Amino acid sequence: DAKTTQPPSMDCAEGRAANLPCNHSTISGNEYVYWYRQIHSQGPQYIIHGLKNNETNEMASLIITEDRKSSTLILPHATLRDTAVYYCIVRVAQGGTNAGKSTFGDGTTLTVKP
Amino acid sequence: DAGVTQSPTHLIKTRGQQVTLRCSPKSGHDTVSWYQQALGQGPQFIFQYYEEEERQRGNFPDRFSGHQFPNYSSELNVNALLLGDSALYLCASSLGYIEQETQYFGPGTRLLVL
Repeated sequence: DAKTTQPPSMDCAEGRAANLPCNHSTISGNEYVYWYRQIHSQGPQYIIHGLKNNETNEMASLIITEDRKSSTLILPHATLRDTAVYYCIVRVAQGGTNAGKSTFGDGTTLTVKP
Repeated sequence: DAGVTQSPTHLIKTRGQQVTLRCSPKSGHDTVSWYQQALGQGPQFIFQYYEEEERQRGNFPDRFSGHQFPNYSSELNVNALLLGDSALYLCASSLGYIEQETQYFGPGTRLLVL
């Protein structure tokens, strides 16, 4: 499984955009980039995922570089409730070996400040 | 739409005992994965069940075993508990081996081994 590298911590002002980077330089062609977040040791919450195109949903936007070696999760208007640990993982989503296994790193602790 | 549920929420055991944790997948999902999350670390993959069989396994000893029932619910069993088994145990469900399967996590069971 490809590994990811994330900064251990980041701060963001409330109401501003939070941009969380992730490096996945060894990603394979059939691996997707997934983002989850975890608040107060609850179960990780799915945010968004993508293969090579940029993606947007009601929670966030995902920007993946053309070479797919890095990505950025964007929370457009951060609120205090977005304070959490954010995990970037890469995972084979199609059927076969390792299809369902998610390898988590230590994530980025995002602190949104008033 | 029922999400992933886990029971119990908290559990205290002593060294050498055995424990069983339970998971009900999200409605419509047929694949269950189990993760262990030690304090301050990201979740670590234990194993995955699909069609009542263990399909993948992470780097965990045989003391960790599981089962999946015909209704897709699952159990995680840990024998001969060690102090180091104290952790948050997370269950994640997804829809089989198809493209773009997203894993959704439950709230977890916090196990304390004394």
